[in-house]
Amino acid sequence: NAGVTQTPKFRVLKTGQSMTLLCAQDMNHEYMYWYRQDPGMGLRLIHYSVGEGTTAKGEVPDGYNVSRLKKQNFLLGLESAAPSQTSVYFCASRHLAVGYNEQFFGPGTRLTVL
Amino acid sequence: DQQVKQNSPSLSVQEGRISILNCDYTNSMFDYFLWYKKYPAEGPTFLISISSIKDKNEDGRFTVFLNKSAKHLSLHIVPSQPGDSAVYFCAASRGSTSGTYKYIFGTGTRLKVLA
Repeated sequence: NAGVTQTPKFRVLKTGQSMTLLCAQDMNHEYMYWYRQDPGMGLRLIHYSVGEGTTAKGEVPDGYNVSRLKKQNFLLGLESAAPSQTSVYFCASRHLAVGYNEQFFGPGTRLTVL
Repeated sequence: DQQVKQNSPSLSVQEGRISILNCDYTNSMFDYFLWYKKYPAEGPTFLISISSIKDKNEDGRFTVFLNKSAKHLSLHIVPSQPGDSAVYFCAASRGSTSGTYKYIFGTGTRLKVLA
């Protein structure tokens, strides 16, 4: 089991460029999440999904879009990158059933927007 | 408005002693609390959790205490080991009627265990 994987690990973008971050999990989890981590801010939820074909906004969704076309994949898109989106992005997943509250995190993607 | 607060950005403890990490929350509707540990350049990993119906949960060297009236939880690590040096995040969740679970994270406390 690879758990939760994220692609790419690092990326540098210029302002206005677009990119997609890929998250994949092999644990058959229903719930998937995208967070960003910034110094002094902790982890903030961008978007999340409760199942294939569904997505919902988190705390800081502006400037991002997501898609969950397959249960195992959750994509995070930046249509027009801004320097304020420089951050470390973490994907996470968890089981649907009540009582399985633990989230499993990927290793992160470090994004720099110049 | 930060609903989950970790007011100590850092903490240093001698090896073998107790480490106590604190977390405060403001939303009384939170019903589940978790602690995660994060090493540099890695994703957070789950450490221990507690439901709002309990006031203590123990797992080996790690114990989480929940004081609902004070809206406060703490993580105790006894004895502390150098490998425990990491950033610790507390998180809180509230189940909604649709069954979706969102998590609010604190800003983290960097623990350094001195050998």
